[in-house]
Amino acid sequence: AQTVTQSQPEMSVQEAETVTLSCTYDTSESDYYLFWYKQPPSRQMILVIRQEAYKQQNATENRFSVNFQKAAKSFSLKISDSQLGDAAMYFCAYRSEQGGSEKLVFGKGTKLTVNP
Amino acid sequence: NAGVTQTPKFQVLKTGQSMTLQCAQDMNHNSMYWYRQDPGMGLRLIYYSASEGTTDKGEVPNGYNVSRLNKREFSLRLESAAPSQTSVYFCASRLWGAEAFFGQGTRLTVV
Repeated sequence: AQTVTQSQPEMSVQEAETVTLSCTYDTSESDYYLFWYKQPPSRQMILVIRQEAYKQQNATENRFSVNFQKAAKSFSLKISDSQLGDAAMYFCAYRSEQGGSEKLVFGKGTKLTVNP
Repeated sequence: NAGVTQTPKFQVLKTGQSMTLQCAQDMNHNSMYWYRQDPGMGLRLIYYSASEGTTDKGEVPNGYNVSRLNKREFSLRLESAAPSQTSVYFCASRLWGAEAFFGQGTRLTVV
């Protein structure tokens, strides 16, 4: 079974600085998707960025980028120029694209605090 | 466009009571999911449905049942609520090959 591990329960960053959130996963599959979701205090789950495993190029979305290391099964999220509104729980997630599986598996999350 | 709608948003139950959490999506998505979120545990998959008429167990299905009556709706039923089922419940849906969209969550307390 696939598992997702986020080893940092909490992180903090100064406003305008850069922070990297870690995520590793375990799978024997070659075709899958990886995601980062943000959950602010409102509880809403918001997709931040996605990465297809077959793509070698790292995904970027404005201030958010990932470092995808397929061989190492690592998928870290870098937030540049951190803003107060970035404070939230961040969840890494894995979804298989093989065998008809529709499971979407999440890590336990990292709470990010942004200090002014 | 409402997206994924969950009802109710809050609920308090007594131990042993039953209830159904409702979820509906208006995006014509194929797959639907039910998760529970507990502090320090992330989101754990309870049940999912890859298409209308099919359901599969996730990581923590015990104590729950689900129904996918049509493409839009996916309900989660607690037959005999227990304090261990106190949690925030999320419904999600997605189109094959795309990312998941989530509802606003239901905060359930079992006393």
